[in-house]
Amino acid sequence: TQLLEQSPQFLSIQEGENLTVYCNSSSVFSSLQWYRQEPGEGPVLLVTVVTGGEVKKLKRLTFQFGDARKDSSLHITAAQPGDTGLYLCAGAKDSSYKLIFGSGTRLLVRP
Amino acid sequence: DTEVTQTPKHLVMGMTNKKSLKCEQHMGHRAMYWYKQKAKKPPELMFVYSYEKLSINESVPSRFSPECPNSSLLNLHLHALQPEDSALYLCASSQDTGTGGAAGYTFGSGTRLTVV
Repeated sequence: TQLLEQSPQFLSIQEGENLTVYCNSSSVFSSLQWYRQEPGEGPVLLVTVVTGGEVKKLKRLTFQFGDARKDSSLHITAAQPGDTGLYLCAGAKDSSYKLIFGSGTRLLVRP
Repeated sequence: DTEVTQTPKHLVMGMTNKKSLKCEQHMGHRAMYWYKQKAKKPPELMFVYSYEKLSINESVPSRFSPECPNSSLLNLHLHALQPEDSALYLCASSQDTGTGGAAGYTFGSGTRLTVV
């Protein structure tokens, strides 16, 4: 059973378009993180959100944590080919060190 | 130093071989992790070390044996692996905070393991 479901699984868009990736769960998480992973490399942390309703911006990326801390979204404005990669959400429950990864969204931005 | 270094980057081993994967960090992180990632899948947790003690073993087969010799090093000893164990093995570390994983993980680039 996948605790964190991401949608869509795959997204192919043209450079300049906007997109939103969703990360949903029926469980409450104490914090949620977003990572981007490129082929042959490890995931790289983009952001951590810990407060329900929190919104964080990282240049063209906007991250939101749901009010109930069960879901999150990642919005990319004016996507660029450099945004191509596997986007992973990951949640931590309580004080556990165990990070649970979502199913992943593979993004392809065409020039 | 803000990196997690994994060696080797690639490893091919036979089913009767014994090999070890190594991971090193000098960020003062006190939690270290091994993850396994199959192609087109998210990483799956294998082991968690906290303050050099094994705190989580996700029912990993005994042919995988982790070791944490000190706060900077994490090893994964491999013995009698199967072809289905072929995957990208990722090491990660995080600060020891009261909010656990909220500090974010720093991942290494991984070891691409092929079992023949």
